[in-house]
Parts: sequence; C-alpha cells; structure tokens
Amino acid sequence: AQKITQTQPGMFVQEKEAVTLDCTYDTSDPSYGLFWYKQPSSGEMIFLIYQGSYDQQNATEGRYSLNFQKARKSANLVISASQLGDSAMYFCAMREGTGANNLFFGTGTRLTVIP
Amino acid sequence: KAGVTQTPRYLIKTRGQQVTLSCSPISGHRSVSWYQQTPGQGLQFLFEYFSETQRNKGNFPGRFSGRQFSNSRSEMNVSTLELGDSALYLCASSLAVQTGVTDTQYFGPGTRLTVL
Repeated sequence: AQKITQTQPGMFVQEKEAVTLDCTYDTSDPSYGLFWYKQPSSGEMIFLIYQGSYDQQNATEGRYSLNFQKARKSANLVISASQLGDSAMYFCAMREGTGANNLFFGTGTRLTVIP
Repeated sequence: KAGVTQTPRYLIKTRGQQVTLSCSPISGHRSVSWYQQTPGQGLQFLFEYFSETQRNKGNFPGRFSGRQFSNSRSEMNVSTLELGDSALYLCASSLAVQTGVTDTQYFGPGTRLTVL
C-alpha cells in the first residue's frame, strides 16, 4: 500500500486566491512526521512545512498552513494569496518514528498559478 | 549559511560506464541521504549515511553504492550504468542530532544523469 497518496496530478489557481493540495497517508506507527516540499522546474526540493503526529495545533509558516486531520489521516497543504512564483510541483512526505530515517514521498501535485 | 551543494549538475554517460556524484551537506549536518527521482517511479530512497556509516538502505541493486567522509561530504557511485538509471539524483542533509520524526531534510539542486 502507498504510504503517501496525492490524488491531484495538477491544480490551477488564480493569483491571490487560496488553494488546497491534498495528501493522505498510511501508517500504523503512532509517531510520525509529515512534510511538504516544493520543487520548481530547476529541480531543487524546497522544504515548506512540518507537522508532527503529536502536535496539537496545525502548523503554519507564512502563507503555508497544514490542515492536519489525524483521524482521517490527511495532511493537506493550504497556500494563501497565491503568487506566480508558487507554480511548481508540490510533494507530501512522511517519516515514521520507528525504522529507517528516510522520507516516503507522494507522486506530487503540479500547481499552476494563473495571472 | 550555504545550502546543500551537488556536483556535477548535469552528466551524460553511456551504458556500462560508471559514475560518481558528490554532495556537500549544510555545515553542521551529519546525515546525508540520497534519493532517485524518475517520471515513472517518483522519488525513491537510495541510502542514508551518518558518521561515515551507512545507516539505512533502500531497495536498489548493489550497483548503487555510497560513502561519507569525515567532513560529512558524501559520494554515490553507480557502476555498470543502465538506461533506466537516467534520473535526477537528489541529496539531502539533516542535523540528525537525535533520531526522530522531526529531523528535517534539506535538499540540494540535484544531479541530472542521462544514460545513452
């Protein structure tokens, strides 16, 4: 089974509007971390935001916020006030508390911001 | 503080050759992980090095190997290249002061390898 599922291959948003990118995860480990990364066409993965499984509040970083619904096993990224520079691939990733230190990535969502 | 650097950025090789990619982590970071990104398989974990020791390994053949030096710089090597090895190879570093889920990985710009 996929550990991270991103069901939206592509999304469009109008400049200055908000957009939600979906991410669901699958783990039986009670301790885990969820990450979102942005990958522009240049290829570099840019860390955006982190949410821990025991965090009581949803994470926020500037225009990025994470809508964490533990019971639903979802960790959606919300980008407010979209900018043209937000056009990129967005990846959701998870690290489990036990076992290896690596990240499991979803297939990504390509976001296009329309002027 | 400088980010993760990877060299070279682009590489073209032919089948059967071998290649070495280099990664310099963020200063103070002790863990270096390598990932392969392809359109078909997405992002897949290759291996992680910590204190010059391979700590974790993904499901890749033995043609893929790596090492880490005392200054935390890492190299990965792919021997007997195949067409399917064409990919973007990403290196990520993290503090890894203690194990746990909060250790954030910061990625370099990647090395794009093309095998002809």
